Formats: sequence, structure tokens, C-alpha cells
Amino acid sequence: EVQLVESGGGLVQPGGSLKLSCAASGFTFSGSAMHWVRQASGKGLEWVGRIRSKANSYATAYAASVKGRFTISRDDSKNTAYLQMNSLKTEDTAVYYCTRPPQGGFETLYMDVWGKGTTVTVSS
Amino acid sequence: DIQMTQSPSSVSASVGDRVTITCRASQGISSWLAWYQQKPGKAPKLLIYAASSLQSGVPSRFSGSGSGTDFTLTISSLQPEDFATYYCQQANSFPPITFGGGTKVEIK
Repeated sequence: EVQLVESGGGLVQPGGSLKLSCAASGFTFSGSAMHWVRQASGKGLEWVGRIRSKANSYATAYAASVKGRFTISRDDSKNTAYLQMNSLKTEDTAVYYCTRPPQGGFETLYMDVWGKGTTVTVSS
Repeated sequence: DIQMTQSPSSVSASVGDRVTITCRASQGISSWLAWYQQKPGKAPKLLIYAASSLQSGVPSRFSGSGSGTDFTLTISSLQPEDFATYYCQQANSFPPITFGGGTKVEIK
């Protein structure tokens, strides 16, 4: 079964840091790009960033709202993607989902498998 | 960035009704559009990709159409399990990926 499981969420003070993990199983993780998407309570979906595979030089891209504060990385030996969040702001409070594009053929920006999400709360 | 605008923001409908949701892109995106369904407390689920291609396992009452800047998601006969929020997403211009604001389908 294809599965993504996020962990690492919690309560953090403004200006603090947190690192989220996304453990993947059931597919060839090393060959897949991975995305992070967040959703504030009662709000819509916001794309956070993406990391590509080794074959694509682990290229990363970020939303303007998190660029310079968030970093996406991956450990293919552990089938895990990470989201390092620094200089956190109250507006970063959200459920964070990891997700992947459909496999096979060329890489697209659709997202066909999602984790259940992990909640990050930034508050003093 | 490409802005995605959905309408309506909410719709009240009854079981068996035909429901249509529209999504407009701020610039042309060819057919690079997806639709997702999200139920409360759950992750989004991919329904439609490439504007009109049905994701595997998705019931055929869901259909998508459009190209360029104007797109529609149609539920031909609303079922109880279809009450949810629906989002469109453009997959043409990157970064960033952008989503519409969502359309909540509620029970009438």
C-alpha cells in the first residue's frame, strides 16, 4: 500500500524552529519528487515547497511566504522527506501535508497521494 | 503567479442534483488543471487531472472540462458521500503551484 506518514508537528513559540518528517512506503521514494502543502484552520490549501529526486539534482522550490525560512530535504536511504521550519511566525500555524506526484511517465505537478497531515501551532 | 478563482464559494444541493463548480485561471494554463475533494479532517483526494482525466477509482459521476482559463467540475448526480469542499489547482506554471479558494458543497 502506498503511504505517506507525517510527524514532528507541535507547539512552538514565534521565532522558533521545528522539523517535520514524511515517511514514505509502497513506492520507489528515491525516484519521486515530494511536495509539502499546508492548510490553516478553516482556510484553503497553500503549496509550501518541493524537492525533486537525485536524478533531478534534488532541486528545491519554495513559496514566497516561506522562502529563506523553510528548507526541504530528503534521505532516500530512509525513504523520508523533511521540512525544516525556522523563524516561525504565527501565520505558519497550519496542518502540514506531504504529498507526491503521480508515478510513471514524466513528472507533473499533480498530487495523487497525501499523508494525513501533522499540526503545527506557532503561539506564545 | 497564476491566480485561481473558484465560484461559487459554497453551494447547497440535494442528493441526486447536478452540481457544477467553476474555476478561472488568471492566465492561460492549457489543460494543466486538477480537482481535489476534501472532507473535514481529511487530506485532499485527487479527482481529476489534466482538466478532464478521471483519477483511478473515482466514480464516473465526476467529470471535468475546460482549457485555457475556464474550467468546470461537474457532479452529475450528487451522492451523500460527495458533500465536501472541492479545490482546483493549476499545474502549468511553477513555482508556485496555486489552488483555488475552494467550493463547499453542502446539504440543502
